[in-house]
Amino acid sequence: SQQGEEDPQALSIQEGENATMNCSYKTSINNLQWYRQNSGRGLVHLILIRSNEREKHSGRLRVTLDTSKKSSSLLITASRAADTASYFCATDASGANSKLTFGKGITLSVRP
Amino acid sequence: DTAVSQTPKYLVTQMGNDKSIKCEQNLGHDTMYWYKQDSKKFLKIMFSYNNKELIINETVPNRFSPKSPDKAHLNLHINSLELGDSAVYFCASTLRGAANEKLFFGSGTQLSVL
Repeated sequence: SQQGEEDPQALSIQEGENATMNCSYKTSINNLQWYRQNSGRGLVHLILIRSNEREKHSGRLRVTLDTSKKSSSLLITASRAADTASYFCATDASGANSKLTFGKGITLSVRP
Repeated sequence: DTAVSQTPKYLVTQMGNDKSIKCEQNLGHDTMYWYKQDSKKFLKIMFSYNNKELIINETVPNRFSPKSPDKAHLNLHINSLELGDSAVYFCASTLRGAANEKLFFGSGTQLSVL
């Protein structure tokens, strides 16, 4: 069954605004990753957060992880039109045979 | 210089045909994967190979057969194509195959079965 569930499923914001996307999962994890997919392209890794970490930053990206709530959020600050893409969380479940399970993705549209 | 390259980009074929998708990575990674992305963008792992050895084989019909001639290549052969096989297929690789490594994806092959 699907591990990660992102919400909202679609988000439309104005350039310059912040975008917050959430991911919830069902079982204990070792780590959680976020990926971006531009239309017609493959996924690109954005950031990885380990289960013992609570927050991580990379440029305009901020990821938080709350293992008690089994949820993560991806914040993109000062969004740009080029951030328009689908965003996926992927989890590495504890005890699993080293495979990542992806959520359905969130479609982010940034209006110029 | 593409790190993970797969061909063809688009594949349109009739039901019942057999087709192959090729994938090559020049990153020196040990592990390669095939993922299937459906029309709702749900991405599901199909297979993984580590240094030519099958590691993960999800519940995929045996019409799908991966072949890894060497660790830089992982091809996907599909027999007797069905309408439900229409999807985007992504090849990916990681350095050693651990789930805490980042995946490098190819740009996908859009398969349309008519």
